[in-house]
Amino acid sequence: NAGVTQTPKFQVLKTGQSMTLQCAQDMNHNSMYWYRQDPGMGLRLIYYSASEGTTDKGEVPNGYNVSRLNKREFSLRLESAAPSQTSVYFCASRYETGSREKLFFGSGTQLSVL
Amino acid sequence: GENVEQHPSTLSVQEGDSAVIKCTYSDSASNYFPWYKQELGKGPQLIIDIRSNVGEKKDQRIAVTLNKTAKHFSLHITETQPEDSAVYFCAASIRDSSYKLIFGSGTRLLVRP
Repeated sequence: NAGVTQTPKFQVLKTGQSMTLQCAQDMNHNSMYWYRQDPGMGLRLIYYSASEGTTDKGEVPNGYNVSRLNKREFSLRLESAAPSQTSVYFCASRYETGSREKLFFGSGTQLSVL
Repeated sequence: GENVEQHPSTLSVQEGDSAVIKCTYSDSASNYFPWYKQELGKGPQLIIDIRSNVGEKKDQRIAVTLNKTAKHFSLHITETQPEDSAVYFCAASIRDSSYKLIFGSGTRLLVRP
């Protein structure tokens, strides 16, 4: 049981390049999320997917697209990277049962855009 | 939409002392308030949460209090230990079908041995 797996762990891009961050969970969770973490700004929600086949914008969706490929996988794409997208990106999936709920986070992708 | 403010941004305490981190939220419809701990190089992990129908919740050395009228909630850590050193995030959400969890800006806690 690996939990939430993100790839790659580190990436350096040039301005204008594109890339896709991959995320997969093996816990059979319905909901998945992409957050970015910047110093002094906490974790900001980019996009989320409440269930397979649905996606919705979070707080900071501009410049990003997402795909919920199946129940396990939720990818984040940067079509034309900008220096402002330099950040640490976290994928998460949500466990919920009755009154219990919890987000499980991956270990993060550190992205630098030069 | 919801906005969560967290204070202080950094906190340094002596081992054995207590630490308190405070958060305020803006949306009175928010009804779920978790706290996450993030250790260096890792993703955040849930340590405790509270719902709007409860005023206080304890789990060993950590406790969370909620004041719905003032729209603020706090994390209390007693008898701090060096392993409590980490970044702590508060968050708030409306527990509906969308479940958008909005985080505060984080508090870096340092426990000095």
